[in-house]
Amino acid sequence: GAGVSQSPSNKVTEKGKDVELRCDPISGHTALYWYRQSLGQGLEFLIYFQGNSAPDKSGLPSDRFSAERTGGSVSTLTIQRTQQEDSAVYLCASSPPGGGVRTEAFFGQGTRLTVV
Amino acid sequence: SQQGEEDPQALSIQEGENATMNCSYKTSINNLQWYRQNSGRGLVHLILIRSNEREKHSGRLRVTLDTSKKSSSLLITASRAADTASYFCATASTGTASKLTFGTGTRLQVTL
Repeated sequence: GAGVSQSPSNKVTEKGKDVELRCDPISGHTALYWYRQSLGQGLEFLIYFQGNSAPDKSGLPSDRFSAERTGGSVSTLTIQRTQQEDSAVYLCASSPPGGGVRTEAFFGQGTRLTVV
Repeated sequence: SQQGEEDPQALSIQEGENATMNCSYKTSINNLQWYRQNSGRGLVHLILIRSNEREKHSGRLRVTLDTSKKSSSLLITASRAADTASYFCATASTGTASKLTFGTGTRLQVTL
């Protein structure tokens, strides 16, 4: 089917508000990643889901950030009490089963978050 | 923190020239991958090289991997203006949780 879908494409929010970013991975992909990319910078790892295993949350920058993956498919990244430094492009990617050797990731187009 | 670091951070060449980008990483890996990003949005997978491979080709792309030096290089031959983009290396660490960790990227500009 279609590739990785992220919504919204762009989000402008006021400082202090909560936001939810959505990611629909490719059907059948067991791995799902969230990354953050500030302007002109590299990709900062946030969180990684792999099948039914406990997610790797080691990249979440603060307790204002959380993510869920329901039914092993759709994922939502929630940022509470947004701050201006949260402004960035949030990228989601998914990978097919196999892990280890076969871990090519397929990316969505990202959500550009602007906190004003 | 970034697993990989690309070098150079920026590269400007003329169309027809070759472009070489390097990536260094820190931990043991299962594989190393190169991605391309246009306009600061989604990344596109270019090529994957496994830890037991030393060189791999795909069209105008050539990737090398030196696990003893924990480094890789991406060569784009006969570059075109359309190759202008940012290029990132990513490593899949060993172990059951093979998450992908990205480097800092090289911004390539190919001019006519």
